[in-house]
Amino acid sequence: GENVEQHPSTLSVQEGDSAVIKCTYSDSASNYFPWYKQELGKGPQLIIDIRSNVGEKKDQRIAVTLNKTAKHFSLHITETQPEDSAVYFCAASSDYKLSFGAGTTVTVRA
Amino acid sequence: NAGVTQTPKFQVLKTGQSMTLQCAQDMNHEYMSWYRQDPGMGLRLIHYSVGAGITDQGEVPNGYNVSRSTTEDFPLRLLSAAPSQTSVYFCASSYSSGGKETQYFGPGTRLLVL
Repeated sequence: GENVEQHPSTLSVQEGDSAVIKCTYSDSASNYFPWYKQELGKGPQLIIDIRSNVGEKKDQRIAVTLNKTAKHFSLHITETQPEDSAVYFCAASSDYKLSFGAGTTVTVRA
Repeated sequence: NAGVTQTPKFQVLKTGQSMTLQCAQDMNHEYMSWYRQDPGMGLRLIHYSVGAGITDQGEVPNGYNVSRSTTEDFPLRLLSAAPSQTSVYFCASSYSSGGKETQYFGPGTRLLVL
């Protein structure tokens, strides 16, 4: 099955700085890579996703890049704000069965 | 739309007891799934369904049963709860075609098995 590794497990950044989270996956058949944000006591919420036929996607302060050859993808958050503090999960899927990374706890310091 | 709803929000069980976690969605999604979330392990797929009457096992199915009699509902049953099933359980739903596989998660059920 698919194995997704996510790094780092915790990330502390100064407000206004950038945050980068990296994930690798093992199954070359995976073709859909979503990123979820989870706030305390809530379910994961999709923030951005990318499909295997695209190398990069951007949505305001959030961007995701995908390198299918190397089997890794990354989340970039620019100009971080206190409300960006949360747990972020990457995932990979080839048939609607999502395999998740272990999560990254992001703390934005004011 | 209410989206994906889950009940109860929190439950305490004794070892050996049974219970059903409820999940419902009002988005007419074909695909529904159950995940458990444990510290440091992300979310792991328990069971999933691609439509009414069709279910299949995920990564960690042991100790859990599911059924899908309607498009809207996808209950998860614990027949004999064990302390190892203490976790937070999330239900999710999505379309299953046309590149619309974005999964929408419910708010979760926190389960404690003593």
